[in-house]
Amino acid sequence: KAGVTQTPRYLIKTRGQQVTLSCSPISGHRSVSWYQQTPGQGLQFLFEYFSETQRNKGNFPGRFSGRQFSNSRSEMNVSTLELGDSALYLCASSLGGGNAEAFFGQGTRLTVV
Amino acid sequence: QQQVKQSPQSLIVQKGGISIINCAYENTAFDYFPWYQQFPGKGPALLIAIRPDVSEKKEGRFTISFNKSAKQFSLHIMDSQPGDSATYFCAASNGNNRKLIWGLGTSLAVNP
Repeated sequence: KAGVTQTPRYLIKTRGQQVTLSCSPISGHRSVSWYQQTPGQGLQFLFEYFSETQRNKGNFPGRFSGRQFSNSRSEMNVSTLELGDSALYLCASSLGGGNAEAFFGQGTRLTVV
Repeated sequence: QQQVKQSPQSLIVQKGGISIINCAYENTAFDYFPWYQQFPGKGPALLIAIRPDVSEKKEGRFTISFNKSAKQFSLHIMDSQPGDSATYFCAASNGNNRKLIWGLGTSLAVNP
């Protein structure tokens, strides 16, 4: 069974630009969560989507947004990029109930210059 | 404020030795405590997880010990192998919000 697929794997953007990252969850999984991973802050929760609805949100500014489509695929958008947004962005999919096991993709490495 | 504190930051162990990583949490609402393993260039992968109704869980060479009163849990890797060299993360969540709160990670190196 295919795992979680994130595209693209690597991105280089300029300050002020916007970027869209994509995540295809494991077939049958309805929950998609996004995390930002940096060396200094570790993994930090961005948001979770379940059945096209944002179910939970972390403490990130409004420049970070997401959405989920009817096929459970999810996209994350970051507008007005800042240097500090450089990070590995990870997507995790799960069945969605309670503390269901989360399966992670390989991430998208975003570099803002 | 780090809700889940992990130590040590790095660890070097000889092949065949025991690797021990510790985590402490603050929020008593947490009811799910997973450990993840991450290799360079890969996303985290679930190793083993525990809920607070048990004090220990073992899967192969990996054991979680859980102390609810002390709000601490630890990962023990028995017979550590060079292939175990990776970064290990503890995390915690509660079933109501499903948001994983992570420790900052432990970089484990197992020398051959």
